[in-house]
Amino acid sequence: DADVTQTPRNRITKTGKRIMLECSQTKGHDRMYWYRQDPGLGLQLIYYSFDVKDINKGEISDGYSVSRQAQAKFSLSLESAIPNQTALYFCATSDGTETQYFGPGTRLLVL
Amino acid sequence: GQNIDQPTEMTATEGAIVQINCTYQTSGFNGLFWYQQHAGEAPTFLSYNVLDGLEEKGRFSSFLSRSKGYSYLLLKELQMKDSASYLCAVRDNYGQNFVFGPGTRLSVLP
Repeated sequence: DADVTQTPRNRITKTGKRIMLECSQTKGHDRMYWYRQDPGLGLQLIYYSFDVKDINKGEISDGYSVSRQAQAKFSLSLESAIPNQTALYFCATSDGTETQYFGPGTRLLVL
Repeated sequence: GQNIDQPTEMTATEGAIVQINCTYQTSGFNGLFWYQQHAGEAPTFLSYNVLDGLEEKGRFSSFLSRSKGYSYLLLKELQMKDSASYLCAVRDNYGQNFVFGPGTRLSVLP
């Protein structure tokens, strides 16, 4: 089984809709991250969390919110989706001493 | 500020050697990472440098010069499956966050 899972893997939604992307991990890591990736670009950090009670904004947090429901779960919400939020979204985990481990990604299309 | 630069695209021939450069200017430094990312897939970890010098891992090697803010990834004996994007990322001083470069798309030709 994969260490970091994301649901859904693909999602099409309409402008103005609220949607949630979910991430779960079995690595036992405290640190979790949400990134977005646009075609031809690197990863941009949206939000990160270093434990259940810790939530921090990344470089592009506007229009997004997160919830850390448990050590293993970190969800990303788009309160009112807009077309320029169409992107590939990755969740990642880390224990702070080594690399990050990425989920398989969620491809989101906002019409 | 944080800035990481990489060439946008590179092309090389199967069996050859290619070097992908990365320069960085970040507010802190606690390690430089290289990831491989095939189109539409998750990045996967390739290598990590925190001290100056060369780290070798099979066909892949990575070099770091902290004084120059410079790293490269060296891929030897290129194979078709090495066609992918290669992302350079810097972890800040406190191990808090990773800042990613835009990635270099490598095409390996027969």
